[in-house]
Amino acid sequence: EDQVTQSPEALRLQEGESSSLNCSYTVSGLRGLFWYRQDPGKGPEFLFTLYSAGEEKEKERLKATLTKKESFLHITAPKPEDSATYLCAVQALMIKAAGNKLTFGGGTRVLVKP
Amino acid sequence: DAGVIQSPRHEVTEMGQEVTLRCKPISGHDYLFWYRQTMMRGLELLIYFNNNVPIDDSGMPEDRFSAKMPNASFSTLKIQPSEPRDSAVYFCASSFAGGNEQYFGPGTRLTVT
Repeated sequence: EDQVTQSPEALRLQEGESSSLNCSYTVSGLRGLFWYRQDPGKGPEFLFTLYSAGEEKEKERLKATLTKKESFLHITAPKPEDSATYLCAVQALMIKAAGNKLTFGGGTRVLVKP
Repeated sequence: DAGVIQSPRHEVTEMGQEVTLRCKPISGHDYLFWYRQTMMRGLELLIYFNNNVPIDDSGMPEDRFSAKMPNASFSTLKIQPSEPRDSAVYFCASSFAGGNEQYFGPGTRLTVT
């Protein structure tokens, strides 16, 4: 069974204080690892997809990296508007072409104080 | 594009009543997903469809839950009878065939008293 564990559960940062979020995963074969951002009262918003170990992707102050067992989301010089819950999800390789099923982690709640 | 549309946004009902949640996916998307989110269990996949056909319903918790997709632009998730433990936010998401990014709707917050 695919499993995704995110840490820490919550993170309080001062504006400008860089940090990293961790996503550890267990999957029979990784098709892709996804990062989403979720604001209160809204649905998750897609950020990145990573497919293979060593891959990195960036978007503004966010940078996602991937190894064979975990992924990191680095937040560089965060601003208050980066406050959100960040969700990690994995998609497994399947013998049958059965679509885009994702297994999500519990998320990391990030609060950036001015 | 209007994105994924869900209705109602909020639903409060009494235990034992039937609840129907509705979803309109993004036009052209071939996959539709229903998720449930709670503080205790996080975001869980309930069921998903490909070209209007249910592919995997292993996440549907009980026979009280059912989902249909009569056409490419509409899906429903029904709970009958509802129970207080069904209280959660229910999300609908859609994606392209072969594409990986799922686009989520705003969710329906269900409260069963």
